[in-house]
Amino acid sequence: DGGITQSPKYLFRKEGQNVTLSCEQNLNHDAMYWYRQDPGQGLRLIYYSQIVNDFQKGDIAEGYSVSREKKESFPLTVTSAQKNPTAFYLCASSRQNTGELFFGEGSRLTVL
Amino acid sequence: GESVGLHLPTLSVQEGDNSIINCAYSNSASDYFIWYKQESGKGPQFIIDIRSNMDKRQGQRVTVLLNKTVKHLSLQIAATQPGDSAVYFCAGNTGGFKTIFGAGTRLFVKA
Repeated sequence: DGGITQSPKYLFRKEGQNVTLSCEQNLNHDAMYWYRQDPGQGLRLIYYSQIVNDFQKGDIAEGYSVSREKKESFPLTVTSAQKNPTAFYLCASSRQNTGELFFGEGSRLTVL
Repeated sequence: GESVGLHLPTLSVQEGDNSIINCAYSNSASDYFIWYKQESGKGPQFIIDIRSNMDKRQGQRVTVLLNKTVKHLSLQIAATQPGDSAVYFCAGNTGGFKTIFGAGTRLFVKA
């Protein structure tokens, strides 16, 4: 079955450590996205990528980094520069320039 | 700036009743709107969408209404079931890669 796989589902890290969240899709979608979700809030865009080897900052990119070396993969690194990294992180993909997003199951990061 | 917002953070309905979840948006350039359903601990799932050249679209047990005059859209769920309990998000898109999400309404279905 086609879909988006995020891993790990739960992650605990100490303050000051970088952590990388994985996102893989087999939907053959060109565009991929990372969103952050906090309690009681909507999803906020961190980074997005329209095509391999290209990505753009979203609304809250500070303290995060991404890469897009393969069409199927769009990993997100939460760096120590991110002031409040504890959150639920959602990866999504879409066909080129269409609105419908296909989401993964999310990764919950807790920084202790 | 652009915003998409929901009117109520929570909504409680009796099983079998109809549910109406409302959403307002600020950007007149938004030409595509989507409703997503998010169950606890999972990613959002597409429910139904509507383009700005339409004012109504129906799916299975769901209807989306769009009123461009007052920049308002609503999601109607017919004969609400316990499995409909979730957080519902409206989202707006101007045709590019940026989708603006509202804060979500949590729907509780009472048996």
